[in-house]
Amino acid sequence: GESVGLHLPTLSVQEGDNSIINCAYSNSASDYFIWYKQESGKGPQFIIDIRSNMDKRQGQRVTVLLNKTVKHLSLQIAATQPGDSAVYFCAEKKKQNDYKLSFGAGTTVTVRA
Amino acid sequence: KAGVTQTPRYLIKTRGQQVTLSCSPISGHRSVSWYQQTPGQGLQFLFEYFSETQRNKGNFPGRFSGRQFSNSRSEMNVSTLELGDSALYLCASSLDGNYGYTFGSGTRLTVV
Repeated sequence: GESVGLHLPTLSVQEGDNSIINCAYSNSASDYFIWYKQESGKGPQFIIDIRSNMDKRQGQRVTVLLNKTVKHLSLQIAATQPGDSAVYFCAEKKKQNDYKLSFGAGTTVTVRA
Repeated sequence: KAGVTQTPRYLIKTRGQQVTLSCSPISGHRSVSWYQQTPGQGLQFLFEYFSETQRNKGNFPGRFSGRQFSNSRSEMNVSTLELGDSALYLCASSLDGNYGYTFGSGTRLTVV
């Protein structure tokens, strides 16, 4: 089915280090992208979003970068903490008034103490 | 403000039965969309409603249906349940369906 690809299914990172989670998308017309974090037994939790007219957006300890030339999206987490251990999904909305998100397969992030 | 509320949290049903799941969006949000999450297929879009109208539908059989009420609350129904319908069903609400999707905790459906 439709999907936004993620480069790596798992990522192990040392506590305190920075994490980078990557995502490739296929539709150059996609106008909106979101990163979600999902912990076991819970629904996806919004982390940060970015519209296609932007290249970078920063939140608290997180930065999303959008490279439209190579259709690549990344999420950077600064000073990774144990509570950051979860599955991270990127999602795209492929066009205005599409009203649906297409999700990647997810990257499982494990933070080592 | 209250988040997206989904009920029930867990359900166990038998093959052939039907089930109704409920979703209450964030106050003021008029768009409600539904997703199915399984280990094999990941998160897949079911349908989206805005002002009681279905605006988009995913590639699921007709056994999956939904509706939205005038207060924006939404329900989805699955008839003639199959084992493969076992999944986490997630609801997301948004002001207009274009940006800012907030998900609920989901309903875990197990079909036996």
